[in-house]
Amino acid sequence: DTEVTQTPKHLVMGMTNKKSLKCEQHMGHRAMYWYKQKAKKPPELMFVYSYEKLSINESVPSRFSPECPNSSLLNLHLHALQPEDSALYLCASSQVIARKGENTIYFGEGSWLTVV
Amino acid sequence: AQSVTQLGSHVSVSEGALVLLRCNYSSSVPPYLFWYVQYPNQGLQLLLKYTSAATLVKGINGFEAEFKKSETSFHLTKPSAHMSDAAEYFCAVRTYTGNQFYFGTGTSLTVIP
Repeated sequence: DTEVTQTPKHLVMGMTNKKSLKCEQHMGHRAMYWYKQKAKKPPELMFVYSYEKLSINESVPSRFSPECPNSSLLNLHLHALQPEDSALYLCASSQVIARKGENTIYFGEGSWLTVV
Repeated sequence: AQSVTQLGSHVSVSEGALVLLRCNYSSSVPPYLFWYVQYPNQGLQLLLKYTSAATLVKGINGFEAEFKKSETSFHLTKPSAHMSDAAEYFCAVRTYTGNQFYFGTGTSLTVIP
């Protein structure tokens, strides 16, 4: 089962709201990722968790707060967002160590976020 | 840092014609390379990947890519384009040691009937 599940698929929130995006995988992967994708642009890496610990933060504003409660779940908490934060947010997972046999990163379908 | 460059942000081909999407990587050591496809309003789907086992890699939907170390390239091809191939295509690179996984700027493929 090579599947990464993201919820919700669509989210509209006001600039003063607090919301969360959720991601789940059951592939036994211990690395999980958040990417942000604007229209007609490539996905941009935001955060990487390895063994449930934050390993990479690509200078993301603090209004985005990631959380990895366990090896299967990854959340992205949103607070005081700006309209320019509207985008597709993609979750992904992989083995921590890239090997010849298994080095693929698997993506979810994404959560479409609109900030009004 | 490792990166990939995709030449041509837009490519148009006629239905039935050859598809060629270009990707070059910058690394002294060949990295892991991938091609993903993204259909409108959807997530990313893996087309194929290079893992150093073979230089010619076959993927889904009739696509294939050839790794050429001398040219630091990993171009994506398909012998005959189909209307359903219209999508955004991303080349991506993953580092050997870390968990950084980066995308090229993407190529939008249009298939003309």
